[in-house]
Amino acid sequence: DAGITQSPRHKVTETGTPVTLRCHQTENHRYMYWYRQDPGHGLRLIHYSYGVKDTDKGEVSDGYSVSRSKTEDFLLTLESATSSQTSVYFCAISPTNEKLFFGSGTQLSVL
Amino acid sequence: AQSVTQPDIHITVSEGASLELRCNYSYGATPYLFWYVQSPGQGLQLLLKYFSGDTLVQGIKGFEAEFKRSQSSFNLRKPSVHWSDAAEYFCAVGVNTGFQKLVFGTGTRLLVSP
Repeated sequence: DAGITQSPRHKVTETGTPVTLRCHQTENHRYMYWYRQDPGHGLRLIHYSYGVKDTDKGEVSDGYSVSRSKTEDFLLTLESATSSQTSVYFCAISPTNEKLFFGSGTQLSVL
Repeated sequence: AQSVTQPDIHITVSEGASLELRCNYSYGATPYLFWYVQSPGQGLQLLLKYFSGDTLVQGIKGFEAEFKRSQSSFNLRKPSVHWSDAAEYFCAVGVNTGFQKLVFGTGTRLLVSP
């Protein structure tokens, strides 16, 4: 998966608890993304980063925050998880304008 | 806003038969178009992309796609399907902001019958 590690791979949590998902890359790529994948919706962009401490919102950013303090790490935080945030979360990285490389995903269940 | 439509949720093809997966996009400018494939439990892998130039693009694993501006389409084709092609396929349009922000279609699941 092009030097991308997502952790954890699976997580079950309860409504109202905070959750942080981590994306770690070894490629030194500038751009990093968080997508969620849901049946019938394909992949939807949550947040993205175009450099250290440079982030912006995607189309489904409500309820999520991100941080990027180092080039290699991009964290996605659910401040207070809800059942609607049960999903598969994918991190992606990109060096330029060419293509995205995806991680293997994190399956999150909010009960 | 840009959008992508993949009208077929599931498609079943016999092994050795030809394949065409449909993709229509909506975008005001010249689009960057992509096809990605996702095997079960895995992330997405790029099959091919169109940025400009020749409207018939070749990708990995024997796939090709043709950009037709008049039809706002970017259909994926393969002349002879193998059982290992069973997966979910996503079409995406890229917004040219200097880096790739992709809008994905809802995907087409390909089943390959013996």
